[in-house]
Amino acid sequence: AQSVTQLGSHVSVSEGALVLLRCNYSSSVPPYLFWYVQYPNQGLQLLLKYTSAATLVKGINGFEAEFKKSETSFHLTKPSAHMSDAAEYFCAVSNTNAGKSTFGDGTTLTVKP
Amino acid sequence: NAGVTQTPKFQVLKTGQSMTLQCAQDMNHNSMYWYRQDPGMGLRLIYYSASEGTTDKGEVPNGYNVSRLNKREFSLRLESAAPSQTSVYFCAAEQGAWGYTFGSGTRLTVV
Repeated sequence: AQSVTQLGSHVSVSEGALVLLRCNYSSSVPPYLFWYVQYPNQGLQLLLKYTSAATLVKGINGFEAEFKKSETSFHLTKPSAHMSDAAEYFCAVSNTNAGKSTFGDGTTLTVKP
Repeated sequence: NAGVTQTPKFQVLKTGQSMTLQCAQDMNHNSMYWYRQDPGMGLRLIYYSASEGTTDKGEVPNGYNVSRLNKREFSLRLESAAPSQTSVYFCAAEQGAWGYTFGSGTRLTVV
């Protein structure tokens, strides 16, 4: 069984500030973890993924996430927010045997000028 | 560009009508998925197909059927639409467990 909890359905930051979106997972086997971004009226786009290699994963648009097994977390960060980062972000977990990801409920990021 | 194509993009149905949502991928991926997205509920898996010729139920399969016609195509059918099926539907494809490629979605309204 696997599940994902995203802490905070809405996060608001100022342009240039640190972005931190929280994700905790539960998995009975070593997980694969993903972050996706969804812009308004579009499909989801893969931002980055953890697949048991390096624990610090770098993705597109300056985002990165760190896998912490002891905390069962995979938080998404970006040092400096840009207006174009405003979107909904989804964390997802899959297991190493097959796909069929389980998604969190999403976090809407607002960036204030 | 390589990817996942969904048709139609928008659809309005009357209660009781039927329709098929089409999905095709040109990436030669084995696995394909249908999700629905509702406000505050994330994405919920309706059906998936791990390979050509196989389909399995997901979290919310009631009221839906699927067909994996070939490796490229995976369709979702609503036999008798209900207002509770008003949602945005996403098709996705994946190879192994390396992350999904999503289509742009079908926005369905059932009145």
